[in-house]
Amino acid sequence: EPEVTQTPSHQVTQMGQEVILRCVPISNHLYFYWYRQILGQKVEFLVSFYNNEISEKSEIFDDQFSVERPDGSNFTLKIRSTKLEDSAMYFCASSGGNGYTFGSGTRLTVV
Amino acid sequence: QKEVEQNSGPLSVPEGAIASLNCTYSDRGSQSFFWYRQYSGKSPELIMSIYSNGDKEDGRFTAQLNKASQYVSLLIRDSQPSDSATYLCAADTGRRALTFGSGTRLQVQP
Repeated sequence: EPEVTQTPSHQVTQMGQEVILRCVPISNHLYFYWYRQILGQKVEFLVSFYNNEISEKSEIFDDQFSVERPDGSNFTLKIRSTKLEDSAMYFCASSGGNGYTFGSGTRLTVV
Repeated sequence: QKEVEQNSGPLSVPEGAIASLNCTYSDRGSQSFFWYRQYSGKSPELIMSIYSNGDKEDGRFTAQLNKASQYVSLLIRDSQPSDSATYLCAADTGRRALTFGSGTRLQVQP
């Protein structure tokens, strides 16, 4: 079964530092997404990406965040100047037309 | 404000029983609906998708959609202890951005 791969599984960073979360979507999927889930809360949409550009973003996805597809397989989420409230599980997902497949997530802890 | 509402539970059912999970959504523009299962500390796992009114069955799972009532449900037949998890309902308006409910915690008692 094809899967979405995320690295690292766990990231601890100091407040104010930049982090890059990495994802390898399913190879024949064309849409890519980032979601986050703060502990005990809902899964929240951050951004969708298609054809090398952002197609939709939420109000959470402000100038602190950016996404990139640096090559044919990776999809990254960069968080600049991290804050304590950025601590969450970050899920990458991809879709090929019938539902969204989520990666196993990166647990980001900002200290 | 797009909202997807679910009863947080826990919903407790005995092993072998039918578990019924419900969800309502506020955005009438929603076109696609999904049920995900999430174990504690894990990522959402797709169980069912449904796009048109009526029922859709897949094994022990049946999803039901009523767009007039803005209501989605998931039935789990012959519930097993391994079905114990949080079930997330999600809606997509076609803009490729899922809105999730807060989830219903299901406990299947052996």
